[in-house]
Amino acid sequence: GQNIDQPTEMTATEGAIVQINCTYQTSGFNGLFWYQQHAGEAPTFLSYNVLDGLEEKGRFSSFLSRSKGYSYLLLKELQMKDSASYLCAGFTGGGNKLTFGTGTQLKVEL
Amino acid sequence: NAGVTQTPKFQVLKTGQSMTLQCAQDMNHEYMSWYRQDPGMGLRLIHYSVGAGITDQGEVPNGYNVSRSTTEDFPLRLLSAAPSQTSVYFCASRPTGTGDNEQFFGPGTRLTVL
Repeated sequence: GQNIDQPTEMTATEGAIVQINCTYQTSGFNGLFWYQQHAGEAPTFLSYNVLDGLEEKGRFSSFLSRSKGYSYLLLKELQMKDSASYLCAGFTGGGNKLTFGTGTQLKVEL
Repeated sequence: NAGVTQTPKFQVLKTGQSMTLQCAQDMNHEYMSWYRQDPGMGLRLIHYSVGAGITDQGEVPNGYNVSRSTTEDFPLRLLSAAPSQTSVYFCASRPTGTGDNEQFFGPGTRLTVL
């Protein structure tokens, strides 16, 4: 299976920048997702990386290094509404299985 | 489009009871899947389907059955509920093929087994 590791909790200040890291086993890897999940709600899609490099979408950016088995999600100009769990997920099994990490609970403080 | 819908939103069962969690999508997605989410465990794949008539097991399939008779529907059956199946269940769908891999989640079913 695919082991995906990410920090359990992070705290950051409103207006700041935070980077959430994710590492995974490279064997059979076929693409990496980031999802945002607010308490009591379903996950919502943030980004998908299949090639190395940085993908930018407004305040959110995601980076992938396939050789290192490493990804990060960068959140800029943090807002209180960004307080949520951020889930890293990797595609394996020819793209048919999406395996999730346990999620990083981000708390944004004033 | 309604996207991915799930019913019921909440359910309480007694140990040994059976029930079916419903999932439907109106986006003509070929791929559908079921996850359960428990505190500290993240989302774990139960079963998935790559198209009508095709299903396969995920990471934690024991105690659950699925079928896929149509593209739209992917019900999850608990044959004999156990307290260990208390969880939040999410159904998800996405199109297959390259270049369009966003997976859409339903709102979830919160199941308690007493």
